Order: sequence, then structure tokens, then C-alpha cells
Amino acid sequence: AQSVAQPEDQVNVAEGNPLTVKCTYSVSGNPYLFWYVQYPNRGLQFLLKYITGDNLVKGSYGFEAEFNKSQTSFHLKKPSALVSDSALYFCAVRDMAWDDKIIFGKGTRLHILP
Amino acid sequence: KAGVTQTPRYLIKTRGQQVTLSCSPISGHRSVSWYQQTPGQGLQFLFEYFSETQRNKGNFPGRFSGRQFSNSRSEMNVSTLELGDSALYLCASSGGLAGNYQETQYFGPGTRLLVL
Repeated sequence: AQSVAQPEDQVNVAEGNPLTVKCTYSVSGNPYLFWYVQYPNRGLQFLLKYITGDNLVKGSYGFEAEFNKSQTSFHLKKPSALVSDSALYFCAVRDMAWDDKIIFGKGTRLHILP
Repeated sequence: KAGVTQTPRYLIKTRGQQVTLSCSPISGHRSVSWYQQTPGQGLQFLFEYFSETQRNKGNFPGRFSGRQFSNSRSEMNVSTLELGDSALYLCASSGGLAGNYQETQYFGPGTRLLVL
């Protein structure tokens, strides 16, 4: 069965510094990987996805993520953090060789300190 | 395009009652998925519908059910409510053909259900 892990419940970063939110996954086949962000009292907003092709994926709001097959990771990154990036971030995976269900990580709360 | 809409936004029920939540997908989208979000369990997949057919189901008891109409609008129903059903219920829609799991899901704002 597939699984996805976000090892950090919370990440604190100073404004202007680079940020990384970690995600690792376990699947039987090829993964479809997604990152979503959730602001307070809001639904999830799509940031980016990896399906195939270039391992570096660029998404909304200046975010990017790198697919690393050998390390089974899909870390979310941004070169320079903004206070407005403070939110809850979810990594998700679909395992196309299993049961096609999308599985979400527990979420990582990102705090950008002014 | 209008986004995914969910009604009602807030709901208070008592144990043993049943509840129906509604989701209207983005125009043209044919796939609708439902998720339950709680502080303890995080985001959990409930079910996914495409063209009025349930094509995937999460690990929830039979008290949780859903359906999709010909206009792609979807409803989910929870019968015999329990305290643990208190959660934010999120609906997401995506376009594309059946089997195209590359499609991005777009989420609604959710319905917050409180069971007393």
C-alpha cells in the first residue's frame, strides 16, 4: 500500500530565507505527487504536481519541488520566504500500481517569522 | 470560472441524526472526490465519483455514502452521526477523462460539521 510522510509537524523560517518542507513517499509503481496549501478556514489550494518528466517542478507563488526517485522524496522549496507563506502544507501521492486512491500526508505547518 | 462550492458551510447536528452535504464542481469537471479532515487523522479520502459512478472508496464505515448526479453535482450522506464524525468535509473536483489521474483536484471551502 502507498503512504506519504511529512516528518516535520512545524517548520519555522525567517522571512527572506529559503524554506524547505519535506515529503517522502512509498508506492508500488510510479507515483503521481502533489503539494497543496491550506490557509485558515479555507479549503486546499493546489501548488504543484509531478507526473513525469523533469524532476524539478515549478508551481504557484514561487514554490518548486524536486522529485528524487532514489530517495523517494518530493520536498517543497522556495528560495525566499514571505510572511504570507505561513500556512499548512500537504503532500499527496497517487500510486497508479495500487488502488489509485490519493493519500495525503499529515501536513506541515509553516511559520514565516518577520 | 466559479470555483467548487459546498453547502452548507457550517452545520450542527446531534448524535444519531443524519446529514447530507452538497458539492457543486467547477463547470465542466466530471470527477468529484470527498475528504474528511480532522486534527487527529488529518485528511482522509472518503470516495470519488466520475459520471455518476463511484470509482473509488476510502476506509470508512457504511454510514458514509455518496452519489453524483448527471450534472456532476455530488452529495454525501452520513447516517447515525457519532461524535467522532465532527470534522471539516472537503469536496474536490477535477476535469478530464475517466482514468486520467494526472488531473489536478480543486477544492471547495469545506463544510464544518459539529456533532453534539
